[in-house]
Amino acid sequence: IVLTQSPGTLSLSPGERATLSCRASQSLSSNYLAWYQQKPGQAPSLLIYGASSRATGISDRFSGSGSGTEFTLTITRLEPEDFAVYYCQHYTATPYTFGQGTKLEL
Amino acid sequence: QVQLVQSGAEVKKPGASVKVSCQTSENILIGQYVHWVRQAPGQGPEWMGWINFNSGATDYAQKFQGRVTMTRDTMTRDTSIITVYLEVSRLRSDDTAVYYCARRSEIPLAFYQHWGQGTLVTVSS
Repeated sequence: IVLTQSPGTLSLSPGERATLSCRASQSLSSNYLAWYQQKPGQAPSLLIYGASSRATGISDRFSGSGSGTEFTLTITRLEPEDFAVYYCQHYTATPYTFGQGTKLEL
Repeated sequence: QVQLVQSGAEVKKPGASVKVSCQTSENILIGQYVHWVRQAPGQGPEWMGWINFNSGATDYAQKFQGRVTMTRDTMTRDTSIITVYLEVSRLRSDDTAVYYCARRSEIPLAFYQHWGQGTLVTVSS
């Protein structure tokens, strides 16, 4: 399964709303899709699983939606620490794959 | 607190092998699997496979079969500390990447709540 993320880069300002897209080449059963945030020099950090469930400790400014082949990560009221790279990942069956990422920049 | 602690950076020549370790602890809630994920510079992460550190069973991505081996420390343990290893042979320049070990959350599905700090492997002549 190929995951295609768009846009490649998103330029926004603090306080704005970010909408990131992840499209799967085939339908994801049970919406087995996760989102991660990655900052330079760090491992990815889990934000969302099951397309829409927030991981433990994740702010409610982060929300996931979608089903089938189209998924969205929305970040409201952007804060300076949100500027990072975001990846989607499917876990329906091996091989698990990740998208190529969306860079959220100031 | 689940921790995964990886070995340090490596520099290897093309054609050589590298072995990366990942030390973690037994935790019934998050299962017996350790996954390996690599990330080349400027690229998205890439899943390589998993190992069950109790049984030693493995599952590799087809891309890496024949060139990757995942193993566990088989020495008798009297602690709950586990070490797993990722060995990549016949290294090429495009194997240059940060290699991560990762484990799931308490939900038994393969998304990753816990990550090692990463090991940079540089392949260069």
